[in-house]
Amino acid sequence: DIQMTQSPSSLSAFVGDRVTITCQASQDISNYLNWYQQKPGKAPKLLIYDASNLEPGVPSRFSGSGSGTDFTFTISRLQPEDIATYYCQQYDNLITFGGGTKVEIK
Amino acid sequence: QVQLVQSGAEVKKPGASVKVSCKASGYTFTSYDINWVRQATGQGLEWMGWMNPNSGKTGYAPKFQGRVTMTRNTSISTAFMELSSLRSEDTAVYYCATGPQFRLDFWGQGTLVTVSS
Repeated sequence: DIQMTQSPSSLSAFVGDRVTITCQASQDISNYLNWYQQKPGKAPKLLIYDASNLEPGVPSRFSGSGSGTDFTFTISRLQPEDIATYYCQQYDNLITFGGGTKVEIK
Repeated sequence: QVQLVQSGAEVKKPGASVKVSCKASGYTFTSYDINWVRQATGQGLEWMGWMNPNSGKTGYAPKFQGRVTMTRNTSISTAFMELSSLRSEDTAVYYCATGPQFRLDFWGQGTLVTVSS
């Protein structure tokens, strides 16, 4: 099984701050990585696919980078509506999700 | 527009089975795999497996092998996930999701399954 280690598990930042979340795979997964946003009581929403491609309609303040085992998800300027839990997902070998990062406003 | 509509909440006793349905519309049902993901209250996302609606081929997460069965009825564009030998730890919201190449673009609304004696 491929394990996905996501950090931090939670963070608190000011509106307008740059927020960074990392995800590390237990083995090389090339760029087979997606990022999702989940708000309370809702299904997850795909934001980034194939590590760095922005899903149509998703604001450009969201971005992703990385390949191999190390990946980064960034919100360039945190907005109040970005309060959510974010998950990485690998699909190189079946599917595994990271543990999630809860983002809150200070 | 693409929609996945799931069946309603279920309450089951330990040891029983549950079967959740996921009706697809707005696209060709056989175009994309259907995945099933569950989430216990306050916990993260847990992938259970996938099914190709065209061939019926399936792939299950090791944790659920032997206990989960994914099927479909193409005539009504509906996928099914059956989980057997339920225990309290299976209490969760179960989602179906679809999209190209394991990109889970579209999700159902979720089905709460409660396992309680």
